[in-house]
Amino acid sequence: DGGITQSPKYLFRKEGQNVTLSCEQNLNHDAMYWYRQDPGQGLRLIYYSQIVNDFQKGDIAEGYSVSREKKESFPLTVTSAQKNPTAFYLCASKGFDEQFFGPGTRLTVL
Amino acid sequence: AQTVTQSQPEMSVQEAETVTLSCTYDTSESNYYLFWYKQPPSRQMILVIRQEAYKQQNATENRFSVNFQKAAKSFSLKISDSQLGDTAMYFCAFVEGGSEKLVFGKGTKLTVNP
Repeated sequence: DGGITQSPKYLFRKEGQNVTLSCEQNLNHDAMYWYRQDPGQGLRLIYYSQIVNDFQKGDIAEGYSVSREKKESFPLTVTSAQKNPTAFYLCASKGFDEQFFGPGTRLTVL
Repeated sequence: AQTVTQSQPEMSVQEAETVTLSCTYDTSESNYYLFWYKQPPSRQMILVIRQEAYKQQNATENRFSVNFQKAAKSFSLKISDSQLGDTAMYFCAFVEGGSEKLVFGKGTKLTVNP
């Protein structure tokens, strides 16, 4: 089945630690995205990538980093510089003009 | 900057009734796409319906239809014969043609009551 997978579903982090969220797609889409979702805020764009080895900052990129070494994969690292990382993170890929979403990762900082 | 406004943070409706969710957007472009996404308690984002700005005909998908008023920059979602499974957050989203950035509203929480 084609789709987007994210792992883990739940992630706990101690303050000061970097963590990496996984996103994999087998839809053969070029473009991939990371969003952050907070209560009452909708979805906010962190980073996006239109092609392998290239990516652009979104609206709230500070404290995050990404890589795009393979078409299928777009991991997100939440660094210790991110002051308020507790949130729900969604990965998406884009077909013609529609974005398809993964199931999300809930990150909690302890 | 493009913005999407959903003016109803929460709504409720009785099962089998009809409900309309509001969305307005701001753009100076003429070529763009509009979407309604549903996020049930599982938090999986699901596309409900889409509208291309160049099409005058309102999109419909089974019980879901939109009222697209291009001049007013309005894109409301009507859900007919509401079902308990329609309980979810609903997000209106917008992307300009050629852009990679989808802009979301803050969402409307819809509860369908038995």
